[in-house]
Parts: sequence; C-alpha cells; structure tokens
Amino acid sequence: QVQLVQSGAEVKKPGSSVNVSCKASGDTFTDYTFNWVRQAPGQGLEWMGRIIPILGQANYAQNFQGRVTITADKSTSTAYMILSSLRSEDTAVYYCARAGVASTHWYFDLWGRGTPITVSS
Amino acid sequence: VVMTQTPLSSSVTLGQPASISCRSSQSLAHIDGNTYLSWLQQRPGQPPSLLIYRVSKRFSGVPDRFSGSGAGTNFTLRISRVEAEDVGVYYCTQATHFPNTFGQGTKLEIK
Repeated sequence: QVQLVQSGAEVKKPGSSVNVSCKASGDTFTDYTFNWVRQAPGQGLEWMGRIIPILGQANYAQNFQGRVTITADKSTSTAYMILSSLRSEDTAVYYCARAGVASTHWYFDLWGRGTPITVSS
Repeated sequence: VVMTQTPLSSSVTLGQPASISCRSSQSLAHIDGNTYLSWLQQRPGQPPSLLIYRVSKRFSGVPDRFSGSGAGTNFTLRISRVEAEDVGVYYCTQATHFPNTFGQGTKLEIK
C-alpha cells in the first residue's frame, strides 16, 4: 500500500527542537522528493523544504534557513524534519508530501496525515 | 512567486458549477515546455490531496467534474456540478520556480 506514515503529535517548549519522521512505503523511495509543508491553525499551506534522497540533497525555504534540517534514510525509506529554536508561532500541523524527482512529476501526489506540533511553555 | 486566488470563499448550490481563479506573479511556463501548476483539495480535518497537475491533468481517481485550465499567469479550477463531498478548501500551487508556493486557499461551501 502506497502511503506516508508520520510520527505522532508532540508538545514542545519554546527554544527546543522537534524531530518529525515520515516513512514511505509501496513505491521506490529514490524516485521521489519528500517535502515538508506546514499549516498553522486556520491558515494556509507553507512549504518549508525538501530532501532529494537519490542525491542526498536538501533545499530549504528562506523563511526556515538555519532552523530546519531535512534528511532521509534510504535504508528505511524514511524522511526526517528537524525544526529548532521553536517558538509559539511554530504551532502547526506539519505534513510530509511526496513529489516526483522527474520534472514531469513535479506535483505533490501523496501526503501524510500530518503531525500536530504545539509549542507552549 | 506569489499565488493569488479568487474568491477566498464561495457558497454554491448543489449541482451548480463552481470556479476558482489562481493568478501567479510570474509566468509558470517552464523552459522544458511544461507548466507546473497544480490544484489541491483539503476536506475538513484531512490532509490536502491532489486534484489536478500540470494545469489540466486530472490525478488518478479524481472525478471528471473537476477540470483545470489556463496558461502563463492565469489559471482556473472548475467543478461542473458541485456535490456535498466537494466541501473544503482548494489551493493552487506552483513548482516551476523555487521555492514551491501556494495560493491562500478558497473555501467552498454548500449554499
């Protein structure tokens, strides 16, 4: 079954870090990029960055440069997103979304169910 | 690239058509000849899901009442006959230019 299974909800203190995982199954992991998209309560979608496992390359949105690290473990078909220096504005649902490596497949064709992260003292 | 959707909300009678516009601040035509504009649907309490990719191609399993059109900087999502299950928020998104960006979302309700 083709799916992305994300880790569970977390509550974090301001200034701490969170590590969210996204395990892919059902397709060839290296045929895809794995993107992280967040959605604050009642708000729209914001792209944070991506990992291209076949290249081992990560790209980040400017808004998150220096605070986010995205990695992938090809042996377990899992992508990870670490967000550091958390603040209350980082409270959101964090989604993992898959897109194809091939340019003809540059669209988010599969999404995880989301990981709610609450940042509160 | 800034993506601007209109309207931000729409109330439609069951069985009637609906239309959402998406305008980009730059042309989304890629040098490879493709245009990487997609439409996503997010039903209440659910993650987004893909409806349309490369402007007009319906994703697997998407009903044919959904269609996409447009070119350059102007794009449209149309629902020919709205059904109750279409309630949710619709987003356009582009992948032609780095980074990927999304429209603000259009909330579709049933009148």
